[in-house]
Amino acid sequence: ETGVTQTPRHLVMGMTNKKSLKCEQHLGHNAMYWYKQSAKKPLELMFVYNFKEQTENNSVPSRFSPECPNSSHLFLHLHTLQPEDSALYLCASSQEGMAGGRMRNEQFFGPGTRLTVL
Amino acid sequence: AQKVTQAQTEISVVEKEDVTLDCVYETRDTTYYLFWYKQPPSGELVFLIRRNSFDEQNEISGRYSWNFQKSTSSFNFTITASQVVDSAVYFCALSERQTGANNLFFGTGTRLTVIP
Repeated sequence: ETGVTQTPRHLVMGMTNKKSLKCEQHLGHNAMYWYKQSAKKPLELMFVYNFKEQTENNSVPSRFSPECPNSSHLFLHLHTLQPEDSALYLCASSQEGMAGGRMRNEQFFGPGTRLTVL
Repeated sequence: AQKVTQAQTEISVVEKEDVTLDCVYETRDTTYYLFWYKQPPSGELVFLIRRNSFDEQNEISGRYSWNFQKSTSSFNFTITASQVVDSAVYFCALSERQTGANNLFFGTGTRLTVIP
């Protein structure tokens, strides 16, 4: 596997279900991100983890719960979601800080999980 | 406040035409970074380029070129001799040193359709 992988690619769940999205990066990066992409709206940053520590939580409802067990894996636990939570959820990773004397903060994205909440 | 504006929602061009995608940004930080990403129908955002605020040199990579102008707060992207495979949604993004160089603010994207 190379780059950033996400599973599952598609998920349909009811409002009372509990599910988890998984992201794995094979790039040796130390920062990982969750984004939400809804129709007609800009990508919304949800969570940021640097060195496994959560550094950003952009007012995301508690029904979304992230987990970062190590620098290569990131999970998004979902419970009691609403239909308006249906969206494409994208994971990304990057190298925080300087590398080779230059800032290397470009993020590399996975293919996303298309979530539908019924 | 909107930090990145992509005024063109959708653009259609005929194959081999040149096309420019506009991006206007807003920031008070003196150190910032600008990005372009491509999102094909498969959904994955593909990183195209990153520019630092202190490097206004334009860049060319094959059929792609980028024009960074601080005076107009713009970072436009031109595709020369467009191809059908260029059809995608293109996003411009900004990050600022003050709010975190890794916190990207994305524009709403421009959907480019290249007609064969």
